[in-house]
Amino acid sequence: NAGVMQNPRHLVRRRGQEARLRCSPMKGHSHVYWYRQLPEEGLKFMVYLQKENIIDESGMPKERFSAEFPKEGPSILRIQQVVRGDSAAYFCASSLQANYGYTFGSGTRLTVV
Amino acid sequence: EDQVTQSPEALRLQEGESSSLNCSYTVSGLRGLFWYRQDPGKGPEFLFTLYSAGEEKEKERLKATLTKKESFLHITAPKPEDSATYLCAVQGGNTGTASKLTFGTGTRLQVTL
Repeated sequence: NAGVMQNPRHLVRRRGQEARLRCSPMKGHSHVYWYRQLPEEGLKFMVYLQKENIIDESGMPKERFSAEFPKEGPSILRIQQVVRGDSAAYFCASSLQANYGYTFGSGTRLTVV
Repeated sequence: EDQVTQSPEALRLQEGESSSLNCSYTVSGLRGLFWYRQDPGKGPEFLFTLYSAGEEKEKERLKATLTKKESFLHITAPKPEDSATYLCAVQGGNTGTASKLTFGTGTRLQVTL
């Protein structure tokens, strides 16, 4: 079991471009969570998804950000028209059940230039 | 809104010098309190989950304890490889979909020879 896999590890985008971050959960895990970590700040919850459903998106910015977890394939966090303030480490985590401890991936470090 | 405050922000210990990290929290209906370890450039690594006041868990040189308002991570005779940022998080809520974690900003621990 390779754990939670995130790619790419590093992503550089120019302002105005789109960023797509991918997350493959641990085998058998159907609950996926996305968190953002800004420099010198704690991890902030963004969104919680199950297969084909968004359960809680209370931490997602209202514009430019979207997430999906299709029936087949990885979960995708999409950021449209990136701005410098989007530069951060984005972590995905998965769990076997809701309200359960979860396992994090190694993150995608997004740099907007 | 759930809140987590960790102290100190940074701690420098000599090898073998025991100490404790503090995590104070306010949460509506605690479902679990989590401790993670995060190394530079990596995702958080799960250490412990505590569910109720009075509970204690141990792993090697680490021991986590929980009261109704705070948790402590005790480090006994630390080694340089224990150097990392230690994160505390709470999972709260009284509804079935309460899965998100609220994190503190962490304690950066450095253990020197």
